[in-house]
Amino acid sequence: DQQVKQNSPSLSVQEGRISILNCDYTNSMFDYFLWYKKYPAEGPTFLISISSIKDKNEDGRFTVFLNKSAKHLSLHIVPSQPGDSAVYFCAASYGGGSNYKLTFGKGTLLTVNP
Amino acid sequence: NAGVTQTPKFQVLKTGQSMTLQCAQDMNHNSMYWYRQDPGMGLRLIYYSASEGTTDKGEVPNGYNVSRLNKREFSLRLESAAPSQTSVYFCASSETAPYSNQPQHFGDGTRLSIL
Repeated sequence: DQQVKQNSPSLSVQEGRISILNCDYTNSMFDYFLWYKKYPAEGPTFLISISSIKDKNEDGRFTVFLNKSAKHLSLHIVPSQPGDSAVYFCAASYGGGSNYKLTFGKGTLLTVNP
Repeated sequence: NAGVTQTPKFQVLKTGQSMTLQCAQDMNHNSMYWYRQDPGMGLRLIYYSASEGTTDKGEVPNGYNVSRLNKREFSLRLESAAPSQTSVYFCASSETAPYSNQPQHFGDGTRLSIL
């Protein structure tokens, strides 16, 4: 079963506009959500995260919103830049030590057009 | 500023062959992880290690063994490779013990094909 879903395989936006990437989850035990960005032939890079006790976290151009009741989170990038073109993975986690669980979504390919 | 280094970057094996993927980090991180990414899929955790000498199974451990040689190095071994293990393998590390709020730092991956 896919506990973290990114239902849009791709998204295309114009430079300067807002990019909104969405993620849904099913497991209520997840208590932390992370976004990673991945360029081709490179490993993922951590972007931003949010605790389940918060509904918003902001870091520069990147903001993550969490709607716990809907089990939905979104990543907003404003303004979008061509260098933001990459695959974005949503990840959800809970636990720690030998009881640690981290689940990734399949990713959304963002293309920012100049 | 190396971060997490994986070797080799590419490898082709025949079914039944064995292979060890190497990973080293220079950030003095305590925890290390191995993932696989199949086409069109997210990353799936194979094994992880909270400290030298300790390892735990992740979501897809079957067919793999790991060794946390020291704080810097964490290797992944395929004893008898199968075509289903064709994938891109990523190693990662995090500063403290594996915990839900810990971001991870990834290497650039090893692309493994098994014929």
